[in-house]
Order: sequence, then C-alpha cells, then structure tokens
Amino acid sequence: GEDVEQSLFLSVREGDSSVINCTYTDSSSTYLYWYKQEPGAGLQLLTYIFSNMDMKQDQRLTVLLNKKDKHLSLRIADTQTGDSAIYFCAEYTGTASKLTFGTGTRLQVTL
Amino acid sequence: EAQVTQNPRYLITVTGKKLTVTCSQNMNHEYMSWYRQDPGLGLRQIYYSMNVEVTDKGDVPEGYKVSRKEKRNFPLILESPSPNQTSLYFCASSLSPTARGYTFGSGTRLTVV
Repeated sequence: GEDVEQSLFLSVREGDSSVINCTYTDSSSTYLYWYKQEPGAGLQLLTYIFSNMDMKQDQRLTVLLNKKDKHLSLRIADTQTGDSAIYFCAEYTGTASKLTFGTGTRLQVTL
Repeated sequence: EAQVTQNPRYLITVTGKKLTVTCSQNMNHEYMSWYRQDPGLGLRQIYYSMNVEVTDKGDVPEGYKVSRKEKRNFPLILESPSPNQTSLYFCASSLSPTARGYTFGSGTRLTVV
C-alpha cells in the first residue's frame, strides 16, 4: 500500500542546517520528490531522486534515500528565512499517474 | 510564461449549488490531475487524466466530476457541494509525472456552508 509520513513541524535558526524526514511504505516507488509550499501559493517542485540513487545534491539541497528503510530526507544548508514554508515529500509508483504526498512539514526559521 | 491557471482563487458557496472550478495549462501537457489539501492529510488525488477524453478516479472521487475535452483544460465539477468538500484544491499538469513531477496551480480555496 501507499502511505507517506512526515513530522508536522520543525524549527531551526537562520544559518543552521534543516533536515526534514519522510518515510514511505511502497517499495515500488520509482521517483521521490520534495515540494515546497509557501503561504497562499501552490506547490513548487524543489528536487527529486530516482529510486536507484542514494543521494542527490543541488546547491543548498541534499536529498538522501535509504531504500532499505524506506526513508527519504531533505537537508537544507544555511537555512534562510525565505526557506520558511511547508515541505512535502511525495512518491510516484506509476499507479494512476499520481503522486502520493506526505502530510507536510512546516519549517519555521527563526532569527 | 508556462503555468497552470485555476479560477476562482476563492469561493464561498451554499450546500447543493453546482459549481465548476476551471483549470487551464499552456504547456501542452498530457497529464492533468486534481488534488485536495486538508490539514493533517496532505494532498489527495481526486481525479486524473492522461490525455483528451481519458479520465479516471483518484483516491477521493466521490462528489466530484471532471472532463477533458481539450488538452489544455481540465475543469472540476461539484454537482451538489457539501460542507465536507470545504478544502483547498489544486490542479496540476505534467508532460511526464516521473522525472518532471507536476506543475501546480495556485489553488482554489472553497468553502461550502
């Protein structure tokens, strides 16, 4: 079955690193994504990782995938106030052309 | 500018009064999808479409209808809205849902009283 879980809230200080975690249950997931939602806006694709990779880096973002534990994480280096948003992980399994989303993690960046 | 456009952004309506939320994309995407976002539940797929005249149910289709007569448009129809359909709705489109993910519209906040 498909179920994606995330913690609801994370607070970090500006300049620190943020790590947002996600667990999924469908081992047939082919792609995993991180989306960002700012207040009043739609979802913006941040990055994605293919299931045969274990790490992907893109500027301040690092995605780690542990397929054995079905665990995905997003690390944001040097977190800024503009990074405050809700972050969703999502998986694609090829079923119904859909992404299955987690519940979202609200990241609060404090000064 | 490449985008997914939803209208209206905000809508308050009464129970039972039919409404349509429009969605249009200008990227010639084949895949389109509707999601609803509710607190603590993330986003759940309502309906999706893989091409013109091809639509199918997602996880929570009850109370909704869609149509895909043209590639660019994918309206969401609530024939008889009920208060449990109060939610934030997103339309999304994609050339390929895999590596490219979906491009999302800005959302429609619907309140049914």
